[in-house]
Amino acid sequence: GAVVSQHPSWVICKSGTSVKIECRSLDFQATTMFWYRQFPKQSLMLMATSNEGSKATYEQGVEKDKFLINHASLTLSTLTVTSAHPEDSSFYICSARGRGLYGYTFGSGTRLTVV
Amino acid sequence: ELKVEQNPLFLSMQEGKNYTIYCNYSTTSDRLYWYRQDPGKSLESLFVLLSNGAVKQEGRLMASLDTKARLSTLHITAAVHDLSATYFCAVEYATGRRALTFGSGTRLQVQP
Repeated sequence: GAVVSQHPSWVICKSGTSVKIECRSLDFQATTMFWYRQFPKQSLMLMATSNEGSKATYEQGVEKDKFLINHASLTLSTLTVTSAHPEDSSFYICSARGRGLYGYTFGSGTRLTVV
Repeated sequence: ELKVEQNPLFLSMQEGKNYTIYCNYSTTSDRLYWYRQDPGKSLESLFVLLSNGAVKQEGRLMASLDTKARLSTLHITAAVHDLSATYFCAVEYATGRRALTFGSGTRLQVQP
């Protein structure tokens, strides 16, 4: 079945630094990638959608200069949290949809803690 | 704007009992998904419901879809402790941007 690998699983960083999270589709071409954020005991909130080779589309209220998304190839998308602050601490999950496939494949998630 | 309402938000039940989780959505949708999430983990796909009247079953879980009522249900039969988790429904827009909108989730706790 379709697999999406997400790294790192968890990361602790200092306030003001940047963190990059990677998502790779291992056995299919991910034409569209989605990035979600989930706070404790809450639902998943869509942050942005990206198609390979084009700029990401951000949801209302999500700062595109703070959450940089790059989808440079059909198998890799990255989310960079720039100048991270404690309020950015959250669980970030990527999801991918592939050409010719229906349904969504989710990565394993990244727990970000900003101290 | 697509809204997805899920209830109850929290459900504590005893082993062996039956219960239903409800998922209402506000606009026409192509597909409805059910996911399970264990603490600290990502999502595990349970069911994809594609058409009106669709019913799918896996073990003690059964999901159904009524597109006219814009309602999906996840029925739990004879619950066991291993089913304790948070369950999410998610709806995909029928037109335009294709992405998932999630319900608030139902935290299920099955007591021995």
